[in-house]
Amino acid sequence: GQQLNQSPQSMFIQEGEDVSMNCTSSSIFNTWLWYKQEPGEGPVLLIALYKAGELTSNGRLTAQFGITRKDSFLNISASIPSDVGIYFCAGRYNMLTFGGGTRLMVKP
Amino acid sequence: SQTIHQWPATLVQPVGSPLSLECTVEGTSNPNLYWYRQAAGRGLQLLFYSVGIGQISSEVPQNLSASRPQDRQFILSSKKLLLSDSGFYLCAWSETGTRETQYFGPGTRLLVL
Repeated sequence: GQQLNQSPQSMFIQEGEDVSMNCTSSSIFNTWLWYKQEPGEGPVLLIALYKAGELTSNGRLTAQFGITRKDSFLNISASIPSDVGIYFCAGRYNMLTFGGGTRLMVKP
Repeated sequence: SQTIHQWPATLVQPVGSPLSLECTVEGTSNPNLYWYRQAAGRGLQLLFYSVGIGQISSEVPQNLSASRPQDRQFILSSKKLLLSDSGFYLCAWSETGTRETQYFGPGTRLLVL
């Protein structure tokens, strides 16, 4: 089946720094989604991407659907403590496939 | 607007006991429904999905089963829980169509002792 490689697995950064994470696959996808999950809660949708090359922002978050349709990245600018959580990418061709997550820790 | 509910929020059950987790969606009709399991600090594993009442597809063989008795109700069950069934269970819904974004419920944390 399709697999997504999400990196990095974890990040420990200083408040105010920018963050970048990405997902890659050997398969193509029609949709890329980025979710954030806080401890004990369900994942919350951050950004949805539906077209190759699409670049979409949501506040300090920016995500792009790779032109090859095999990758996507998420950037967070000027991180703050409440950005802490696990970020998941998900790609969909027929079914949704999730990456392993990037655990983000922000030091005030 | 659409909302998704799960209960209970937390459950502690002995090995060998039955299980019933419930998920309901409001504000939409004929949604696709999904059950995922998440081990601690890990990604999401799709267990079941349903495109309509009484229609259940299983992604992995396991000790669990799912049912959809009503359009917006999805139930995850087990007759006899195993220690390995412990985890965080997430229900999700999506609208049918080409842009099938999934939205998650708050989750149920299950601890089997």
